[in-house]
Amino acid sequence: EVQLVESGGGLVQPGGSLRLSCAASGFTFSDHYMDWVRQAPGKGLEWVARIRNKANSYTTEYAASVKGRFTISRDDSKNSLFLQMNSLKTEDTALYYCVRDRSVVGDGYYFDYWGQGTLVTVSS
Amino acid sequence: DIQMTQSPSAMSASVGDRVTITCRASQGISNYLAWFQQKPGKAPKRLIYAASSLQSGVPSRFSGSGSGTEFTLTISSLQPEDFATYYCLQYHTYPFTFGPGTKVDIK
Repeated sequence: EVQLVESGGGLVQPGGSLRLSCAASGFTFSDHYMDWVRQAPGKGLEWVARIRNKANSYTTEYAASVKGRFTISRDDSKNSLFLQMNSLKTEDTALYYCVRDRSVVGDGYYFDYWGQGTLVTVSS
Repeated sequence: DIQMTQSPSAMSASVGDRVTITCRASQGISNYLAWFQQKPGKAPKRLIYAASSLQSGVPSRFSGSGSGTEFTLTISSLQPEDFATYYCLQYHTYPFTFGPGTKVDIK
């Protein structure tokens, strides 16, 4: 069974930093691209970042709203995905979801499994 | 950025109704479109990918169609468990963008 479990959320002051983690299990993590998607309270979904797999040099993509402040990374040896968030703003307050994405073994995996999310609150 | 719009933004429907939700992209995205269902307090659940491919385990009353800039999600006979918010997502061009959502509630 595919499982994605996020952790690391919490309350942080504006300008602060936080590191989110996602523990993956039930599939070959190293085969897949992975993403972070967020949802502000009562709002819609916003794609945040994507990291490709080793075969694609772990290259990354970011939404303009977080580029230069957030860094997505992964550790395939630990089946883990990370999001380092620096210079946090109040508008970064959201539930952050870890999401499985496309795979080297086929195209039907785009955004197919989501974790339950971890809440980040940026407030003074 | 590619803008995604959805219509309607909200609707009231009855059990057994046929429901159609439309998603439009501001430029062509081929068939790189997915549909998600989200219930309150829960993570989104993928229903449809590649515009018309049904996610394994999703009831066949859900279907998707379209290509290019216009897409539809159809629920052939609405069931009580289908009352939720539905989002489309384009994954053709960075940044990936979601539609604003369509809330389907009980009439």
